[in-house]
Amino acid sequence: DIQMTQSPSSLSASVGDRVTITCRASQSISTYLNWYQQKPGKAPKLLIYAAFSLQSGVPSRFSGSGSGTDFTLTISSLQPEDFATYYCQQNDITPWTFGQGTKVEIK
Amino acid sequence: EVQLVQSGAEMKKPGESLRISCEGSGYSFTNYWISWVRQMPGKGLEWMGRLDPTDSYANYNPSFQGHVSISTDKSISTAFLQWSSLKASDTAIYYCARHSPLAGFDYWGQGTLVTVS
Repeated sequence: DIQMTQSPSSLSASVGDRVTITCRASQSISTYLNWYQQKPGKAPKLLIYAAFSLQSGVPSRFSGSGSGTDFTLTISSLQPEDFATYYCQQNDITPWTFGQGTKVEIK
Repeated sequence: EVQLVQSGAEMKKPGESLRISCEGSGYSFTNYWISWVRQMPGKGLEWMGRLDPTDSYANYNPSFQGHVSISTDKSISTAFLQWSSLKASDTAIYYCARHSPLAGFDYWGQGTLVTVS
């Protein structure tokens, strides 16, 4: 199975901060990488697909980059509604796998 | 409006069988695959398997193969996740999600909490 490793596992940030979350795949996955946001008690929400394509309706402060094994999710200016857990997911080779999650908390 | 509506919470005993459902609406059900995702209490997301409603072909995560079964009744735009013999370790929230092949999971159900005790 392809292992997806996110860093950090958690972070504390303030409203307005620029936040970067990284995701590393154990082997090359081209750009078959998606990012999700999950709030407590809610289903995950797709933010970014195919490494850098913004899902319809998602604010432009979210962006994704990378290819191969190293990927990044960036929130350019953190808003109160962005405090959540973020997951990366590879959908190149089954079994599709998720990272362990990064919890973004209020500083 | 695209919606995936899942069946309600279940409380079962070890060894019992269970089938939970996921009904799609607001789109052509056979144009998208359905995947099932497990989230154990306080833990992350695990992909269990996916189904193509067009031909009912299912592809499983080896970690779940043989323990669960994914099926569909496209006449009612519904996908199912089924266990023949539940274990306490099956206690989790189960989500269905739709997606195109090799695309992100763009719509999710609200989740079904399964408690086995």
